[in-house]
Amino acid sequence: AAGVIQSPRHLIKEKRETATLKCYPIPRHDTVYWYQQGPGQDPQFLISFYEKMQSDKGSIPDRFSAQQFSDYHSELNMSSLELGDSALYFCASSLLPDSVDTQYFGPGTRLTVL
Amino acid sequence: AQKVTQAQTEISVVEKEDVTLDCVYETRDTTYYLFWYKQPPSGELVFLIRRNSFDEQNEISGRYSWNFQKSTSSFNFTITASQVVDSAVYFCALSEAFDAGNMLTFGGGTRLMVKP
Repeated sequence: AAGVIQSPRHLIKEKRETATLKCYPIPRHDTVYWYQQGPGQDPQFLISFYEKMQSDKGSIPDRFSAQQFSDYHSELNMSSLELGDSALYFCASSLLPDSVDTQYFGPGTRLTVL
Repeated sequence: AQKVTQAQTEISVVEKEDVTLDCVYETRDTTYYLFWYKQPPSGELVFLIRRNSFDEQNEISGRYSWNFQKSTSSFNFTITASQVVDSAVYFCALSEAFDAGNMLTFGGGTRLMVKP
């Protein structure tokens, strides 16, 4: 079965640079979530989109922005990168009717900021 | 606000032992969903189970079983006859049904090490 695709899988950036992470949800899934997992920590919710509209916002820094496109893929844009942004970034997708659906996670993008 | 607590940060067992991972949650909603995810050393998050707050039936899937008890706000996970491949970090998570975005709140995770 098709899974969530994330690209790139690994990314190395310098401080103050920008980065763009991409997420392709499972086919027919209309909801996308972004999570950040720091070393040794649990994943923290950043932001979610349903039918191309932002549906919820968590602890996402103002330096980050995201959007969901007409084909349902999503991109997380990160600017003015800081050392503390080094983390594993997960995208998850679900099919959201009227109740909570299971979120299936992609393999993650490991971002290292030097 | 919702909260998930996994008090055991690390557990080490010998292969074939049974092991139980504890999960305690807090929520003000009457309708909510509980999840377990596995994160092996390769890093991906693998979905294991989803339970809604109206279904307190225990579930068994092969060597895995889950015990959901609303009275104690717990959703514990037991691995029977553990194997080395079970070594991973296991996360318990909660989602409230009336949260607009249905975000997951994770516990801190329990690192399970199964030694041969």
